[in-house]
Amino acid sequence: GQNIDQPTEMTATEGAIVQINCTYQTSGFNGLFWYQQHAGEAPTFLSYNVLDGLEEKGRFSSFLSRSKGYSYLLLKELQMKDSASYLCAVRGQAGTALIFGKGTTLSVSS
Amino acid sequence: GAVVSQHPSRVICKSGTSVKIECRSLDFQATTMFWYRQFPKQSLMLMATSNEGSKATYEQGVEKDKFLINHASLTLSTLTVTSAHPEDSSFYICSAHGRTGGSYEQYFGPGTRLTVT
Repeated sequence: GQNIDQPTEMTATEGAIVQINCTYQTSGFNGLFWYQQHAGEAPTFLSYNVLDGLEEKGRFSSFLSRSKGYSYLLLKELQMKDSASYLCAVRGQAGTALIFGKGTTLSVSS
Repeated sequence: GAVVSQHPSRVICKSGTSVKIECRSLDFQATTMFWYRQFPKQSLMLMATSNEGSKATYEQGVEKDKFLINHASLTLSTLTVTSAHPEDSSFYICSAHGRTGGSYEQYFGPGTRLTVT
């Protein structure tokens, strides 16, 4: 079967750093994706990892360990607008659909 | 990046009627389209996968006779919710997979909010 786990909710304050973890067990692996989704809107792409290591993109970084079936999304210098749901998704094979975790709702307070 | 559009963005229909949602890839040819739905406070759940010119493959628990998918061209896929009921109210999102800029990528549409009264 396929299983993707991430925490349901997290809270943090403006300016802080937060790490959202994701563990997965899937049949096959062809990439791990992170998306941000604000209420009532479609998900927007944040990052993609297919090889082990850290991918940095501005305030957001994503890490992957394929041997551990583990990824995290790191958000630095948090802003109020970062309050959203963060979705971890895995693609099992090239060209197939992404399988999503249940999402982590992040609340950033001042 | 590539653009995927959905129409309509919002639709309200009465129980028992049918609703068609269109998903278009605007600047690339989508060999595969994926349809997801998302209930409030839940994640995206894959409903079906459609390849151009062939029948869609539905995920377990999704009724193929209720959710009709047509992928007649490389830029258009449609999802028709037949005999809609209030429990079909959801956010429907398509994702198009195809070759853009030399690599194969997958892009999400903006979603369609369906409310069945």
